[in-house]
Amino acid sequence: QSALTQPASVSGSPGQSITISCTGTGGDIGGYNYVSWYQQYPGKVPKLIIYEISNRPSGVSHRFSGSKSGNTASLTISGLQPEDEADYYCTSYTRTSTWVFGGGTNLTVL
Amino acid sequence: QVQMLASGGGVVQPGGSLRLSCAASGFTFSYYGMHWVRQAPGKGLEWVAYIREDGSNKDYGDSVRGRFTISRDNFKSTLYLQMNSLRPEDAAVYYCAKRVWDSSWYEAFDILGQGTMVTVSS
Repeated sequence: QSALTQPASVSGSPGQSITISCTGTGGDIGGYNYVSWYQQYPGKVPKLIIYEISNRPSGVSHRFSGSKSGNTASLTISGLQPEDEADYYCTSYTRTSTWVFGGGTNLTVL
Repeated sequence: QVQMLASGGGVVQPGGSLRLSCAASGFTFSYYGMHWVRQAPGKGLEWVAYIREDGSNKDYGDSVRGRFTISRDNFKSTLYLQMNSLRPEDAAVYYCAKRVWDSSWYEAFDILGQGTMVTVSS
């Protein structure tokens, strides 16, 4: 199972909106609405911020939103804040009953 | 308070074995499907394995299938990962994760706890 494709890095200024893409195939993202996103600070445990495409766990800011179109899922962060600077990972369920992660995207808040 | 305490990591030679444990508390462990996820130093996340709440179904990532075995003891609220034939590329922090419940079940998992570090080196 090949990893999902994410941009290695994205950046934005405070207050702006950014979108991180996560591209897979019909055997994973395209075939299921089971895409999650995680936020990870250096040396910390990954935190679930979006599940099943667009659901936010309790306590996660409404500035984080998720969507999907075809084989690509997206994470949008609106009103960018300095504390959003972190690594972001997507993951999807696959047709072989396994899960696959993206390579991760480093977000820099300028 | 939901907690998952992973243990059992350490240094092992290539070809060796280790058994990781993850002790759960603060939730009804026997209700939850559980996963192992790993992260090599400086690298991204990799899904390792899943076990159904009753242990009746198990799935594995391609890189560990045939070498690793996931299991659980619901009486002890503990998840296990038996790792055999370890390779240098298995070196990572291993996290346990539980299926998401948010008023209903969702196909997602929440990574909890600090994980346990496995080093494979001669």
